[in-house]
Amino acid sequence: GENVEQHPSTLSVQEGDSAVIKCTYSDSASNYFPWYKQELGKRPQLIIDIRSNVGEKKDQRIAVTLNKTAKHFSLHITETQPEDSAVYFCAAGKAAGNKLTFGGGTRVLVKP
Amino acid sequence: DAGVIQSPRHEVTEMGQEVTLRCKPISGHNSLFWYRQTMMRGLELLIYFNNNVPIDDSGMPEDRFSAKMPNASFSTLKIQPSEPRDSAVYFCASTRSAGNYEQYFGPGTRLTVT
Repeated sequence: GENVEQHPSTLSVQEGDSAVIKCTYSDSASNYFPWYKQELGKRPQLIIDIRSNVGEKKDQRIAVTLNKTAKHFSLHITETQPEDSAVYFCAAGKAAGNKLTFGGGTRVLVKP
Repeated sequence: DAGVIQSPRHEVTEMGQEVTLRCKPISGHNSLFWYRQTMMRGLELLIYFNNNVPIDDSGMPEDRFSAKMPNASFSTLKIQPSEPRDSAVYFCASTRSAGNYEQYFGPGTRLTVT
């Protein structure tokens, strides 16, 4: 089955700096890579996703890149703000309605 | 839309008791997922359904766990008998099995087994 590794497990950055989280996956058939943000005590919520026919996608301060050959993808958050503090999960899946395999999560702390 | 609804939000029970968690997916969504989240094991998929049919239950930890989806608007996850190691947050998520891939999570049920 699919295996998703996520690094680092914790990340502390100064407000205004950038944060980068990296994930690798094992199943070359995976073609959908979402990122979820989970604030303390809340549910995971999708913040951005990318499909395997695209190498990069941006949405304001967040961007995701995908390298299918190397089977890795990354989340980039620029100009971090205290409200970016949360746990971020990457995941990999194959089709709509199909299961996602989640990485172990990265706890991001943005220091003011 | 009310989003995915889960009940109860919190459950405290004694070891050996039966626990039933409930989920109502978003109307029109035909795929439903049950996850368990713990500090040690992260976010694990337990089982998922497409059109009320269980597709993959390989994540169900053992026979004490069972899940049903009798219709498109309701699913249950049952633990019988419960054990302290079952203490976790259980999330239900739903999505359409065509088009948008996004899974929408419910608020979760925090289960504590003493």
